Amino acid sequence: KAGVTQTPRYLIKTRGQQVTLSCSPISGHRSVSWYQQTPGQGLQFLFEYFSETQRNKGNFPGRFSGRQFSNSRSEMNVSTLELGDSALYLCASSLKTPTALEAFFGQGTRLTVV
Amino acid sequence: AQTVTQSQPEMSVQEAETVTLSCTYDTSESDYYLFWYKQPPSRQMILVIRQEAYKQQNATENRFSVNFQKAAKSFSLKISDSQLGDAAMYFCAYRPEYGNKLVFGAGTILRVKS
Repeated sequence: KAGVTQTPRYLIKTRGQQVTLSCSPISGHRSVSWYQQTPGQGLQFLFEYFSETQRNKGNFPGRFSGRQFSNSRSEMNVSTLELGDSALYLCASSLKTPTALEAFFGQGTRLTVV
Repeated sequence: AQTVTQSQPEMSVQEAETVTLSCTYDTSESDYYLFWYKQPPSRQMILVIRQEAYKQQNATENRFSVNFQKAAKSFSLKISDSQLGDAAMYFCAYRPEYGNKLVFGAGTILRVKS
């Protein structure tokens, strides 16, 4: 059974640009959550999608957005990139909400903003 | 808002010995879930063990066990017979009863000496 797949694995962007990251959940999983991991702030929740609807959102500016497609694949977009957006972005999928007991993580996308 | 605190930034253990990683959390809810995740250098987050708050019995998974003290809001991880492959960053995480948002602690780097 394939795991959570995140693409691309590495990305370098220039300040002011925008970026789109992709996450394909485990087959059958309908909930996808996104996290930002930085050395200074640790792991922070960005948002959760279930059945194409955003169910929960973390404390991030509006430059961070996401969506989920009918096949449960999810994308997150960051517009007007800032140096501080450099981070590892992790995606996690769960079987369903609200009773999913385990989140499975992808290997992440390492974004570097220069 | 829920918070998770890991007070040990770094721990070391000799191979084959036992180590305990500490975690405390703060919540006003009575039902929730607690997790320990392992993040090796590959950055893939791997679930080590989980505990449902309504269960009094401490969870155990092979060499990994927890000491869950609900009243004290404490959730420590004990690793027995430590192996070189256990070396990683360990995160304690809290999840409310409903939804899939995980709140993570700052993490503890575990080093295993041969």
